[in-house]
Amino acid sequence: NAGVTQTPKFRVLKTGQSMTLLCAQDMNHEYMYWYRQDPGMGLRLIHYSVGEGTTAKGEVPDGYNVSRLKKQNFLLGLESAAPSQTSVYFCASNLRDPNTEAFFGQGTRLTVV
Amino acid sequence: GQQVMQIPQYQHVQEGEDFTTYCNSSTTLSNIQWYKQRPGGHPVFLIQLVKSGEVKKQKRLTFQFGEAKKNSSLHITATQTTDVGTYFCAGPSRGGGYQKVTFGTGTKLQVIP
Repeated sequence: NAGVTQTPKFRVLKTGQSMTLLCAQDMNHEYMYWYRQDPGMGLRLIHYSVGEGTTAKGEVPDGYNVSRLKKQNFLLGLESAAPSQTSVYFCASNLRDPNTEAFFGQGTRLTVV
Repeated sequence: GQQVMQIPQYQHVQEGEDFTTYCNSSTTLSNIQWYKQRPGGHPVFLIQLVKSGEVKKQKRLTFQFGEAKKNSSLHITATQTTDVGTYFCAGPSRGGGYQKVTFGTGTKLQVIP
């Protein structure tokens, strides 16, 4: 049982480049989230999804886009990377709603130079 | 929007000393969850509290949910080096028509052997 899997684990981008982070869960969870973690800032919600085909903005959505075409996958896209997007990105999922335990992926460490 | 603050932001303790972190929400929570993130790792669910005034224990860890359901605390008795990490509280919040999980700012615990 893999749980929540994020790819890639590490990436270095040049300013202006684009990339997609993939989150996959095999637990049939409805809710999925993308967070970024910066020193002293805790976990800040970027975008989330309450089910296949449905996404919503979190507290720091600017510069990111997401898609949930399949229930098990939640993609986070950076169209034009900026140094301010250097961070550790975590994907998480809940079975039904935020009132249940959240399972996290291992994280993606992204550096934009 | 809802804000969840934790204090202190950092705490250094001598091994064997007690440790407490406090979580305060700007709004009433239906429930609160606690997570632990080891250095270099991802957040892992510890426990969920639902009832006003609820107290739960896990070995040396004691979790409390305030009577007004706006605050919570995590107390560790006789810390060990294995307790090192960042502790987050989290609660459901509503925005954009959907519920989502809002994480606190976290308390980073360092245990000095």
